[in-house]
Amino acid sequence: GAVVSQHPSRVICKSGTSVKIECRSLDFQATTMFWYRQFPKKSLMLMATSNEGSKATYEQGVEKDKFLINHASLTLSTLTVTSAHPEDSSFYICSAPRQQGVTDTQYFGPGTRLTVL
Amino acid sequence: AQSVTQLGSHVSVSEGALVLLRCNYSSSVPPYLFWYVQYPNQGLQLLLKYTSAATLVKGINGFEAEFKKSETSFHLTKPSAHMSDAAEYFCAVINDEAGTALIFGKGTTLSVSS
Repeated sequence: GAVVSQHPSRVICKSGTSVKIECRSLDFQATTMFWYRQFPKKSLMLMATSNEGSKATYEQGVEKDKFLINHASLTLSTLTVTSAHPEDSSFYICSAPRQQGVTDTQYFGPGTRLTVL
Repeated sequence: AQSVTQLGSHVSVSEGALVLLRCNYSSSVPPYLFWYVQYPNQGLQLLLKYTSAATLVKGINGFEAEFKKSETSFHLTKPSAHMSDAAEYFCAVINDEAGTALIFGKGTTLSVSS
């Protein structure tokens, strides 16, 4: 089956630093990828839609200058948390549909646990 | 706008017992509904999806779900629970305002005891 990877799986950083999280589709090309955030005991919340070759689309309430998204190729999207603060600590998950049909299965990465000290 | 509500944040069953995880949806358009499972330290895995074909959908690992428009429900069931079914389960609906992104319920933790 399709596989989506994320790197790193876990990162600890100091407050004020920036952290980059990579999301890769390993055996298919993805013109669109999605970034979610999952709080403890909470659901996944869509942060933004990453579009290859164009700007990301952010959900309401998500700071685009804080969460920089770059979809550099058809297999790679990156999420950079800039000037991280403890409240940014969370579990970040990406997903990608193999195709663009609305009912096509989305494949999820294993997630990245970010802890900001 | 679409939304899903999962009733019961934690469900506990005995091994061999029926599993029933509840999900109700709200949608102004015909919904596309999904159930995902998340095992510890792993990514979400699709169990099954409803795409307006058959109302009874069979998925992996013996799970199935029935779409009931009159009840706006899409409950997940499995006749006989296994220890390996212990995980977090999420019901989701397509967010038609954001391409194919998903709107998730808050999740239900399934515990299975021997």
